[in-house]
Amino acid sequence: KQEVTQIPAALSVPEGENLVLNCSFTDSAIYNLQWFRQDPGKGLTSLLLIQSSQREQTSGRLNASLDKSSGRSTLYIAASQPGDSATYLCAVPPGAGNKLTFGGGTRVLVKP
Amino acid sequence: GAGVSQSPSNKVTEKGKDVELRCDPISGHTALYWYRQSLGQGLEFLIYFQGNSAPDKSGLPSDRFSAERTGGSVSTLTIQRTQQEDSAVYLCASSSGPGGGYTFGSGTRLTVV
Repeated sequence: KQEVTQIPAALSVPEGENLVLNCSFTDSAIYNLQWFRQDPGKGLTSLLLIQSSQREQTSGRLNASLDKSSGRSTLYIAASQPGDSATYLCAVPPGAGNKLTFGGGTRVLVKP
Repeated sequence: GAGVSQSPSNKVTEKGKDVELRCDPISGHTALYWYRQSLGQGLEFLIYFQGNSAPDKSGLPSDRFSAERTGGSVSTLTIQRTQQEDSAVYLCASSSGPGGGYTFGSGTRLTVV
């Protein structure tokens, strides 16, 4: 059974600092890994999708790395802004199962 | 459509009433998921549809919950005899398959009073 863990659970930084969010998973037989952002009371917005054959994906200030062998992914957000405050979730799609497995999320607060 | 559309965006209902929540996935996406998220909690899997296969209903919390997907497109989640513990945000997602990413709708916030 796939288990996904995100550390830390919460993170507070001053504006301008770089953010490092960690995601680990127990079953390395994944198709891909997806990072989402969720604002309070809202749905999930996809940030980055990394295929299993890739080592990283970049979009603007966001960069996500994937190390399948060690079961880890890291989301880097450069030069954080107050608008980056949200909960960030990583998720892996099923290998043999049907359910997209989510980590518990990292709640980020960027203080102006 | 361009994204996953859910309706209504908000629903307030009295305890004991039935409600229907609608999800219109991205055109051509064969996989459709329903999740719910209670206040301050993580995402709870409810049900999964893949093409014409029998749905995976293993996450439905009780027999008051049911869902259908007509013509491989629009899905409706029905909750009968609603209870206060059913209050949550119900999220729908669709995907082109295991290798594709998942796109979520904006959710339906259900409040049972």
